[in-house]
Amino acid sequence: DAKTTQPTSMDCAEGRAANLPCNHSTISGNEYVYWYRQIHSQGPQYIIHGLKNNETNEMASLIITEDRKSSTLILPHATLRDTAVYYCIVRGGDDKIIFGKGTRLHILP
Amino acid sequence: DAGVIQSPRHEVTEMGQEVTLRCKPISGHNSLFWYRQTMMRGLELLIYFNNNVPIDDSGMPEDRFSAKMPNASFSTLKIQPSEPRDSAVYFCASSFDWRGGMEQYFGPGTRLTVT
Repeated sequence: DAKTTQPTSMDCAEGRAANLPCNHSTISGNEYVYWYRQIHSQGPQYIIHGLKNNETNEMASLIITEDRKSSTLILPHATLRDTAVYYCIVRGGDDKIIFGKGTRLHILP
Repeated sequence: DAGVIQSPRHEVTEMGQEVTLRCKPISGHNSLFWYRQTMMRGLELLIYFNNNVPIDDSGMPEDRFSAKMPNASFSTLKIQPSEPRDSAVYFCASSFDWRGGMEQYFGPGTRLTVT
């Protein structure tokens, strides 16, 4: 079973920051937090991952709380092309990646 | 880089026929993964390889499913005989390593329809 809890869906206005929350209250010390997204009819796309520190790349920022029990993916300036299902995944060591149901993000024009 | 390449992109076959899906991972990646996606079950990991050796095949649904990786640049997923419930999108992904901290790169998928 997935180790994360995400809202089923969210809306965000185009040009605004999209903040996608994820709860992972049972995360253990060696487990990473990954984010992937899947645009309709395409394969999942890696976005970002982190262990303890906040991370930023050209696509997004990942904010992990100090207790590591939750995190937020931030898309700073959402566009219509960011409409997708976003998956938050917790995985460590030799674990398999387990995709849950994710959050369906709608970017509104 | 061309990314992960899968073929065919679409496959329609009749129940009982053999189906072979193909995948070429990103050059230099040591790990390869096969996933299946359906509306009912979401995205499921079927099997993964590291350095061409199967590491975990516990996600393979039945003996009708088999996967091979004869070399670092090619893998197949075979279903024999196929059944209508095998209809799904099958994704292949690759990464430098299968362990935590290594992101996976997915191919475009093969949409399989078994009638």
